[in-house]
Amino acid sequence: AQSVAQPEDQVNVAEGNPLTVKCTYSVSGNPYLFWYVQYPNRGLQFLLKYITGDNLVKGSYGFEAEFNKSQTSFHLKKPSALVSDSALYFCAVSPNSGNTPLVFGKGTRLSVIA
Amino acid sequence: GAGVSQTPSNKVTEKGKYVELRCDPISGHTALYWYRQSLGQGPEFLIYFQGTGAADDSGLPNDRFFAVRPEGSVSTLKIQRTERGDSAMYLCASSYGLAGVSDTQYFGPGTRLTVL
Repeated sequence: AQSVAQPEDQVNVAEGNPLTVKCTYSVSGNPYLFWYVQYPNRGLQFLLKYITGDNLVKGSYGFEAEFNKSQTSFHLKKPSALVSDSALYFCAVSPNSGNTPLVFGKGTRLSVIA
Repeated sequence: GAGVSQTPSNKVTEKGKYVELRCDPISGHTALYWYRQSLGQGPEFLIYFQGTGAADDSGLPNDRFFAVRPEGSVSTLKIQRTERGDSAMYLCASSYGLAGVSDTQYFGPGTRLTVL
C-alpha cells in the first residue's frame, strides 16, 4: 500500500529566505507525485506534479520540487518565500497505474514571517 | 472557466439525520473523486467514479455512506443516520480520466459538515 510522510507539522521561514517542505513516499512501482496548497476554509489548489522525466519540476507561484528516487523523496522548494505563501501544504502520491485515488500526507503548515 | 463546485458550502445537521452533498465537476472531466478531510489531517479517499459507475468505493467507511453519479456529471454523496464522527470537510475532485495516465485532480472548495 502506498503512503506519504510529511515529517514536519510546521515550517517557519522569514520572508525572502528559501523554503523547503519535506515529503517522502512509499509506493509499489513508479510513483506519480503531487503538491497541493490549501488556504483557510478552501479546497486544495494544485501546485505541481512529477510524472516522469526531469527530476526538478517547476510549478505555480515560483514553487518547484525535486524528485529523488533513491531517497523516495519529493521535497517542495521556493527560492524566496513570500508572506502570502503561508498556508497548509499537502504532498500526495498515486501509483503509476492509471487513474487512482491520491494518498495524501497529513500536511505541513508553512508560516512566512515578514 | 468554471472549476469544481460543491454545495452547500456548510451543512449543520443533527445526529441521526440524512444529508446530501453535491459536486459539480469541471466540464468534460469523466473522473470524479470524493475525499473526506478531518481537522489536522490530509484528505482521505472515499469513492471514485469513472463516468456513471463507481470504479472504486473502497474508502467508504460503512454502509451509511453512498454516492451516485447518474448522468456522468454531477455527483451526490449521501450520508444516512449521521453521527458526530462524520463531521469533517468533504472534498470533491475531478480529472479528465484519461486511460493509463494519472492526470491532475482539481478540487472544489469543499462542504463542511457539522453533526451536532
